[in-house]
Amino acid sequence: KNQVEQSPQSLIILEGKNCTLQCNYTVSPFSNLRWYKQDTGRGPVSLTIMTFSENTKSNGRYTATLDADTKQSSLHITASQLSDSASYICVVRDYRDDKIIFGKGTRLHILP
Amino acid sequence: EAQVTQNPRYLITVTGKKLTVTCSQNMNHEYMSWYRQDPGLGLRQIYYSMNVEVTDKGDVPEGYKVSRKEKRNFPLILESPSPNQTSLYFCASNSRLAGGITDTQYFGPGTRLTVL
Repeated sequence: KNQVEQSPQSLIILEGKNCTLQCNYTVSPFSNLRWYKQDTGRGPVSLTIMTFSENTKSNGRYTATLDADTKQSSLHITASQLSDSASYICVVRDYRDDKIIFGKGTRLHILP
Repeated sequence: EAQVTQNPRYLITVTGKKLTVTCSQNMNHEYMSWYRQDPGLGLRQIYYSMNVEVTDKGDVPEGYKVSRKEKRNFPLILESPSPNQTSLYFCASNSRLAGGITDTQYFGPGTRLTVL
């Protein structure tokens, strides 16, 4: 069964620090891998999207990396801000049937 | 402004009373989906539609119905709601570019449903 596993489940860091969130997946082949940010009670918002041929994509202080060989992706947040407190969700699209598989997310808390 | 709208945003109802949650997008997207989100379980797909009059079951379709009579609208229908359908519901839409290589999925603001 296709899976998308994220770690850690939750993370607490101080404002201004960097952090890295992990995503491991078994979906193969895949069309694309996306990272979303979801504020509490709101809909997810796309941060980055990468195809299998891309290995890095940046969006401001957010940088996603992809290693298609090891089936791992990471989201690096630089100089964290209080507004980065949210859940971050990794999503992989299956190339064969177009199904979209969601990870359960990492809950990030930024402390002042 | 490109957006996905849902109504209502909050709803409290009783077991067995039919309800409909509307979803509309203004981006001319072919794909639309409904998800529910529960603590510890992440987002789970209920139904999806690849175009007008084409709908398919997702991972958790039991107790739900959908229709896609127009491209912009994709309502979610609960014929006889039960307490286990208490959840946060999201509608989403996305396009498929030529070759299906990339797409961005846009989510609505969510509908918090409580079934007593």
